[in-house]
Amino acid sequence: QVQLVQSGAEVKKPGASVRVSCKASGYTFTTFGISWVRQAPGQGLEWMGWISAYNGNTNYAQRFQGRVTMTTDTSTSTAYMELRTLRSDDTAVFYCARALRGSSGWSGVWGYWGQGTLVTVSS
Amino acid sequence: DIQMTQSPSSLSASVGGRVTITCRASQSIRSSLNWYQQKPGKAPKLLIYGASTLQSGVPSRFSGTESETDFTLTISGLQPEDFATYYCQQGYSTPRTFGQGTKVEIK
Repeated sequence: QVQLVQSGAEVKKPGASVRVSCKASGYTFTTFGISWVRQAPGQGLEWMGWISAYNGNTNYAQRFQGRVTMTTDTSTSTAYMELRTLRSDDTAVFYCARALRGSSGWSGVWGYWGQGTLVTVSS
Repeated sequence: DIQMTQSPSSLSASVGGRVTITCRASQSIRSSLNWYQQKPGKAPKLLIYGASTLQSGVPSRFSGTESETDFTLTISGLQPEDFATYYCQQGYSTPRTFGQGTKVEIK
């Protein structure tokens, strides 16, 4: 069965960086991209971007451009999301998500989600 | 960017009741509209994709309809486990965007 298991909670100081991991299992990692979604406390869902696990192509939301880097390690079937220059309003739960099916038209339909990683930014 | 306007932001309903949540896209998204359910402390769960196709394992009391840029999620015969927050999301183009969410509470 498809599983996405994320790394544990992090506490960071303003200005620092955080890297969240998302380890995939139960499918061929390189056949699906991984999206990242952020949710601030008590707030809604916000798409951050997507990375192809096949060739590393990325598509970032404009508001995160220059501050986020998404990567994959195909040897360990793991996706990473690094967010730099953290601010207090970056405090959020970060989710990785995979498309329900493999063709390009399905990349925006997320049938599988990680459990979420809470990142707290506080001085 | 495509804006998704979801309403209401919250509602109260009784077990066994009927709930309707609407989502309006700022431009045509064809049928690329998905609905998710989220419970506190949990990841979102896909309920409906392509505006009206029920995800495997989702009870048939959930249904989705579309009319041009207006989309509706209906829950018929609300069950205790349905009390949650619901989000619409467009998968038509990037950036992917969500509605603001609708919290369904027990009356």
